[in-house]
Order: sequence, then structure tokens, then C-alpha cells
Amino acid sequence: QVQLQESGPGLVKPSQTLFLTCNFSGGSISSANYYWTWIRQPAGEGLEWIGRIYTSGSTTYNPSLKSRVTISIDTSKNQFSLKLSSVTAPDTAVYYCARQDTADDHFDYWGQGTLVTVSS
Amino acid sequence: QSALTQPRSVSESPGQSVTISCTGTSRDVGFYNYVSWYQQHPGGAPKLMIYAVTKRPSGVPDRFSGSKSGNTASLTISGLQAEDEANYYCCSYAGSYAWVFGGGTKLTVL
Repeated sequence: QVQLQESGPGLVKPSQTLFLTCNFSGGSISSANYYWTWIRQPAGEGLEWIGRIYTSGSTTYNPSLKSRVTISIDTSKNQFSLKLSSVTAPDTAVYYCARQDTADDHFDYWGQGTLVTVSS
Repeated sequence: QSALTQPRSVSESPGQSVTISCTGTSRDVGFYNYVSWYQQHPGGAPKLMIYAVTKRPSGVPDRFSGSKSGNTASLTISGLQAEDEANYYCCSYAGSYAWVFGGGTKLTVL
């Protein structure tokens, strides 16, 4: 059964770095058929694509966040991670990790999401 | 990339059909056949309902269908049921290895 689970601090101070990890189970994160993606959703708002990584370590990021985002992958642990630096209040959101199919670019499995609040 | 445009809310009675639109540009929805739709109940994670404009994942009822005309994609739900009440988001590939979502549509089943 495919599952993704986010983990990390729920509270981050302004100007600090947000760090989240996504654990994947039910398959191998090294599969050639998928990308591994982060998406966020501020309270009461829509979804925003943050970026993605392939098993090779190749990454692509949302241009609006590119200067602050780093996504990495650890195939030995079947997990991937998100770092967002210099956070401010607008970065407060539910952060989701998701699996993205390489054939049709859709996000077929999502984690339950984790709320990250930026506040002092 | 700008967010795709969706109506903020739609409503319809049980058993009826409803269509949710998703308007983009010739650089995203109009150019690529990589439009997908997601259902999200309050407090829950998004669930894939339609991908590649018209394809339905296994397990999704055939009451859900997708289409596209020009720069506008649509999700149609027929035979509305109470459990269909949720927020729906469209998503499209926007070129340059980036993806853009719509602002979401709240579906109310009266």
C-alpha cells in the first residue's frame, strides 16, 4: 500500500529555515516512473507547487521560491526532504509531499500534510 | 506562472450534474494535455480524480469526467451524491518544468 508521511517541526521562527521530511512506503523511491514533490496550502487558500526531485537527484523549483528552496533525496532511507530558508509569516501553510507520475505529470498519492507555522 | 481561474463556489441538488471550469492561458491549459483534478474534503489531503484531461484513476467513479476546450478545462460530476461535497482543484503543466493550480471551487450538494 503506497503511503507518504510528512514529519518535521510545526513551529519555525521568522528568518529561520523550515525543514521537512517525507517518508515513502509501499514501493521504492528509486523508481524511474515517479518524481517526488512538495506542495503547500496556506489556511483557506489554494495549492502551490513548491518543487520536485527525481531519484537521480535532479530538481526543479517554483521560480517564485527557487532562491530559498532545496529538495534532497535519500534513497537508502526511502525518503526525501524540503528546506525553505529565510521563512516569514506568508510561509505558514500545510505542507504536503506527493508522488508525481512521469508519464502524465499528475500527483497520484499525497501525504496527509503537516502544518508549519512561522511565528516568534 | 499565474494561478488558474476557477469559480469560488458551485451548488447543485443530489442526482443532478455540475460542471466546474478551470481557465488558464495558451501557455498552460491551452497548450498541454496535462490537466488534472483533485478533490479535497475539509481537513483532508487532496485526492486525484482526473488526469491527462480525461483519464480517471482506478477507484474513481465514472460519474466524474474531464474535458478541455481551448484554454478552459472542465470537471463534470453527474448523479451528484452527498459525499461529493468538497473543494475541487485543477492543475496544469505550465511549461519550464513548473505546475500551476487553480484557486479551488467549493462544491455544495444542496
